[in-house]
Amino acid sequence: GAVVSQHPSWVICKSGTSVKIECRSLDFQATTMFWYRQFPKQSLMLMATSNEGSKATYEQGVEKDKFLINHASLTLSTLTVTSAHPEDSSFYICSARGPPNEKLFFGSGTQLSVL
Amino acid sequence: GQNIDQPTEMTATEGAIVQINCTYQTSGFNGLFWYQQHAGEAPTFLSYNVLDGLEEKGRFSSFLSRSKGYSYLLLKELQMKDSASYLCAVRDSNYQLIWGAGTKLIIKP
Repeated sequence: GAVVSQHPSWVICKSGTSVKIECRSLDFQATTMFWYRQFPKQSLMLMATSNEGSKATYEQGVEKDKFLINHASLTLSTLTVTSAHPEDSSFYICSARGPPNEKLFFGSGTQLSVL
Repeated sequence: GQNIDQPTEMTATEGAIVQINCTYQTSGFNGLFWYQQHAGEAPTFLSYNVLDGLEEKGRFSSFLSRSKGYSYLLLKELQMKDSASYLCAVRDSNYQLIWGAGTKLIIKP
């Protein structure tokens, strides 16, 4: 079946630095990928929709200059958390639409800890 | 390898009860999640089980048996709006989320 790879799994960084998270569709092309943030109560918040070759669509309340999304190819989308602060510490998950029938496949997530 | 199995599709009748099973084989266990997802929308959190037993939350209940690597989501008094995909996900020892492929639930009048 379709596989979505996300890395790194864990990242610890200092406040003020930038962190890049990659999401790859390994065996299919994904024109659309999604980025979520998982909060302590386990709910998933959709942050943005990443479209290959065009600008990402951000959900209300998500700062596009803070969370940079690049979907440069049909198999790769990246999320860069710029000037990270402790409040950005969270679990970030990506997903991609793949075959069959444009089902949604999820990455395993990235735990970001900002010190 | 790590694996989560759940049925691809299920059909049930409005007002009835349906049970969606999930079996898992993962490197360690740090909790099991059930999410509901309507087409085109982000998944909605339904339940989280980390200890064995049944967790009841309104019309939805979730059961976990860690020794059997098994969980189920029980939906009672089905409504048409319950037609959706139901995703089972397990957090492994590395805190990674391993996802099932989802069960598409079709509710018929």
